[in-house]
Amino acid sequence: QVQLLQSGSEMKKPGASVKVSCKALGYSFTGYYIHWVRQVPGQGLEWMGIINPGGQATVVAPKLQDRVSLTKDVSTSTVYMELTNLASEDTAVYYCARGQWGDSWGQGTLVTVSS
Amino acid sequence: SSELTQDPAVSVALGQTARITCQGDSLRSYYAAWYQQRPGQAPVLVFYGKDNRPSGIPDRFSGSGSDNTASLTITGAQAEDEADYYCNSRDGNGHYVFGTGTKVTVL
Repeated sequence: QVQLLQSGSEMKKPGASVKVSCKALGYSFTGYYIHWVRQVPGQGLEWMGIINPGGQATVVAPKLQDRVSLTKDVSTSTVYMELTNLASEDTAVYYCARGQWGDSWGQGTLVTVSS
Repeated sequence: SSELTQDPAVSVALGQTARITCQGDSLRSYYAAWYQQRPGQAPVLVFYGKDNRPSGIPDRFSGSGSDNTASLTITGAQAEDEADYYCNSRDGNGHYVFGTGTKVTVL
């Protein structure tokens, strides 16, 4: 069945970078866009960006454009989200979700930023 | 950037009907998707597009839209429907945005 398996929790210091992976299983990797979404504990969902595993297109939310990089590895059916210059406000659960409509989600990756 | 506004909370008696609304300019041009999120869990898609319900989602969940407003209706609410609900849509630049979220309580 369709699964998105994300990498494990991360603890980072302010100013560092984090790279979260999302491995696609059970479907054609290049056939569906992947969204990245984050959720600060106790708050709502925030859309971060979208990548087309079957092409070159990526779109990142304007407020994150200078700090987020979305990449892919077709050979391993994996997409990556790298967030640089981390601050405490970036402490959140990060999710990947499949397709335009987000019909399947990863389990989430907690990223904690603390000195 | 576009914004989507939802009522913070909706209460519904068991077996009755709950309606959750989402307002924003992008909804005049693009359909919404709706997600249910239970505490500690990843969101789940419950309705999307003009009239689409993912497999496995009960038919008590339905969606509609008019002008700048999208709605999710739960007809015959069950205890397990108690959760946070978020709408989502895109804009003309290919950016997406989530609504502010609605906490549904089933009494």
